[in-house]
Amino acid sequence: DQQVKQNSPSLSVQEGRISILNCDYTNSMFDYFLWYKKYPAEGPTFLISISSIKDKNEDGRFTVFLNKSAKHLSLHIVPSQPGDSAVYFCAENAGNMLTFGGGTRLMVKP
Amino acid sequence: NAGVMQNPRHLVRRRGQEARLRCSPMKGHSHVYWYRQLPEEGLKFMVYLQKENIIDESGMPKERFSAEFPKEGPSILRIQQVVRGDSAAYFCASSPSGTRNTEAFFGQGTRLTVV
Repeated sequence: DQQVKQNSPSLSVQEGRISILNCDYTNSMFDYFLWYKKYPAEGPTFLISISSIKDKNEDGRFTVFLNKSAKHLSLHIVPSQPGDSAVYFCAENAGNMLTFGGGTRLMVKP
Repeated sequence: NAGVMQNPRHLVRRRGQEARLRCSPMKGHSHVYWYRQLPEEGLKFMVYLQKENIIDESGMPKERFSAEFPKEGPSILRIQQVVRGDSAAYFCASSPSGTRNTEAFFGQGTRLTVV
């Protein structure tokens, strides 16, 4: 049973527009969520996180929104740039480990 | 401050051989995690270690896989008698404390190919 789900395997966006990546989770026990970005043949790189005491966290072009009642979080990138093209994973802090979603491949077209 | 270092980057083994993957955490980090990524899938937790101790190995296959993090030296993920299904990217991550409310930093991974 997948506890963290990213239902869109891919997303294509025009440069300068907003990218919205979505993530759903099932377990309400844990209260810290993270987004990682991954380029091919490299390890995941931490992007931004959010604690459940907040519903929004912003860092430059990246904003993460948390909707606890819907068990849903989203990552907004605005404006999107071609260098943002990568696979994005959301992850739930699950005590001793991170539980990752399956990833969404973002392609930003020039 | 060097990041998490994994070696080798690529490893090819024949079926039945042993694979040893090494991970040196970031300086000052005493918590190490191993994850596996199968093709077209997300990362799956395998094991969490602190120096000389296995804290959580709930994601490790029961047979052929073992991990250690000795007092001196890197963490080692060992796979005995490899099979084709072991072909994957293996990532190591480290953190200064547990991942409770903090991020883990990942290495570049070891890509294991079993032929």
